[in-house]
Amino acid sequence: DAEITQSPRHKITETGRQVTLACHQTWNHNNMFWYRQDLGHGLRLIHYSYGVQDTNKGEVSDGYSVSRSNTEDLPLTLESAASSQTSVYFCASSEDRSTFGPGTRLTVT
Amino acid sequence: GESVGLHLPTLSVQEGDNSIINCAYSNSASDYFIWYKQESGKGPQFIIDIRSNMDKRQGQRVTVLLNKTVKHLSLQIAATQPGDSAVYFCAGWGLSNTGNQFYFGTGTSLTVIP
Repeated sequence: DAEITQSPRHKITETGRQVTLACHQTWNHNNMFWYRQDLGHGLRLIHYSYGVQDTNKGEVSDGYSVSRSNTEDLPLTLESAASSQTSVYFCASSEDRSTFGPGTRLTVT
Repeated sequence: GESVGLHLPTLSVQEGDNSIINCAYSNSASDYFIWYKQESGKGPQFIIDIRSNMDKRQGQRVTVLLNKTVKHLSLQIAATQPGDSAVYFCAGWGLSNTGNQFYFGTGTSLTVIP
């Protein structure tokens, strides 16, 4: 069965370190998204991609970057982790409805 | 900015009763809406969707109603079961200054009392 996976599921890192969160989907979807979820804010869009070599900023993109070298993967990089980036991160892929991954809980100490 | 919001942050219902979760949206150009269910520690799971050319859509035990006049949609769950306990989000697809994207409500926490 097609699926979307994220790794790691949990990560603790220190302020200032570079962190990369992986997202891999086997749906063959062109559209992929990264969200963060914080209490009281719902899901907020960080970056998204409509296809290979395409990347776009979402509403909370500062401090994050993505790259899309193939259809299956959209890794999210925190260039220099900050405590404000402690959150749960969800990757999603879609053609119309979005299918979400299980999430990565990131703690920046 | 554009937003999709929920009227009630928490809802408790007795097992077997019907549940209604409401959502308001502000982007009148939104033409596609989804309801998601999120259980603790998991990612959001698709429940049902509706396009703006419809005002009602039914699934298995769930119905979504869309009122474009007042920019409101609701999720009705029939014969609510303990397994329905979760957070429910609405999402709308619309144009923002960063392009077309989904907007999500903050969620309503549904608790089913056995």
